[in-house]
Amino acid sequence: SQQGEEDPQALSIQEGENATMNCSYKTSINNLQWYRQNSGRGLVHLILIRSNEREKHSGRLRVTLDTSKKSSSLLITASRAADTASYFCATFPGGYQKVTFGTGTKLQVIP
Amino acid sequence: EAGVTQSPTHLIKTRGQQATLRCSPISGHTSVYWYQQALGLGLQFLLWYDEGEERNRGNFPPRFSGRQFPNYSSELNVNALELEDSALYLCASPGGGAFGTGELFFGEGSRLTVL
Repeated sequence: SQQGEEDPQALSIQEGENATMNCSYKTSINNLQWYRQNSGRGLVHLILIRSNEREKHSGRLRVTLDTSKKSSSLLITASRAADTASYFCATFPGGYQKVTFGTGTKLQVIP
Repeated sequence: EAGVTQSPTHLIKTRGQQATLRCSPISGHTSVYWYQQALGLGLQFLLWYDEGEERNRGNFPPRFSGRQFPNYSSELNVNALELEDSALYLCASPGGGAFGTGELFFGEGSRLTVL
């Protein structure tokens, strides 16, 4: 079963706008990670946020984590057409075999 | 350092046949994780191999099996193929980190189509 659930399932924005994706999960975690998947290809790691962190930045990416609400958000600022992809959150409770991926948010950035 | 490599890129089989997918982890990494991604869905954990042994498996029937070779490359076998086995099969090497908490490095996947 999928622990992480992303919201929205699909998002379409204009180039230059910001994109926000949300992830909810059910059990305690050690960290939460976001991955990107270009159409039908492998996943690429974007950013990791530990359970004792509330916010993290990497370039145009900003991730927040609220462990009390068991939720996380990924913000992509000043989006580009090349950001078009599916984005997945993954919860790491400890032990890679227990990693759980969400169902993903499909982002389309229109030039 | 070479990343995770998978082959074949695409594979077309018919129901009842067997499919074999291959993965080479990042050089020096001993663990391999296999995931299934059915169309429009998230990743489902399939199998974990480490040091040549199967360490854990997800909620999949026994016709999903595999092995890991002495060079740490791995093979995933799917027997008695069913239509719902059509999916992207992804292999990953863990990035390390305490208690297995680092990032996963993925291959480009093998797209299996069952007709």
